[in-house]
Amino acid sequence: DVKVTQSSRYLVKRTGEKVFLECVQDMDHENMFWYRQDPGLGLRLIYFSYDVKMKEKGDIPEGYSVSREKKERFSLILESASTNQTSMYLCASNLSRTGRVGNQPQHFGDGTRLSIL
Amino acid sequence: AQSVAQPEDQVNVAEGNPLTVKCTYSVSGNPYLFWYVQYPNRGLQFLLKYITGDNLVKGSYGFEAEFNKSQTSFHLKKPSALVSDSALYFCAVRSPGSARQLTFGSGTQLTVLP
Repeated sequence: DVKVTQSSRYLVKRTGEKVFLECVQDMDHENMFWYRQDPGLGLRLIYFSYDVKMKEKGDIPEGYSVSREKKERFSLILESASTNQTSMYLCASNLSRTGRVGNQPQHFGDGTRLSIL
Repeated sequence: AQSVAQPEDQVNVAEGNPLTVKCTYSVSGNPYLFWYVQYPNRGLQFLLKYITGDNLVKGSYGFEAEFNKSQTSFHLKKPSALVSDSALYFCAVRSPGSARQLTFGSGTQLTVLP
């Protein structure tokens, strides 16, 4: 079974801090994704990566950056946290050996609920 | 552009009754469509997908969905609801001709009443 592990379930940080959210998958998936989930807005894609050191912006990349130094690990970075970044953050991965965008289901971690005070 | 709409924020149904969670989409060309479920304090779990072929797709936990091209819909259904089906359901779409990833709907909270 695919396992996507997010390092923290709950995190509280202060405005202006640099925040790191970590995600690890154990199934050699090529694609990894970071979403934020807000009530009434569903999931919105922040960034995704289709290979090591490769990244592409999603729908709401402003205020975020990502890092993928190893295939199994994808980090989301809030450069200077702000209160409007308080949210649930979900990491996901899927296989996709045929190109950047796969039709395989995405496998999700359990999320990190981040509060910025 | 691709988009998906879930017109109902909340659906309530009695245990044992059939349930439907609605989804409509907008893409260029033929869509790839997905349903996911989220239980409290958990990530999303894949239920089923439509890529091509039969319009009726069967998935996990007794759920099925019907692809209707003329109505641009992909409604999720189950013949007999269980209390344990209570969760948040998300529809998602992708256009195969696009480099974009999945676009998710806003979610529908399903409550099955005992």
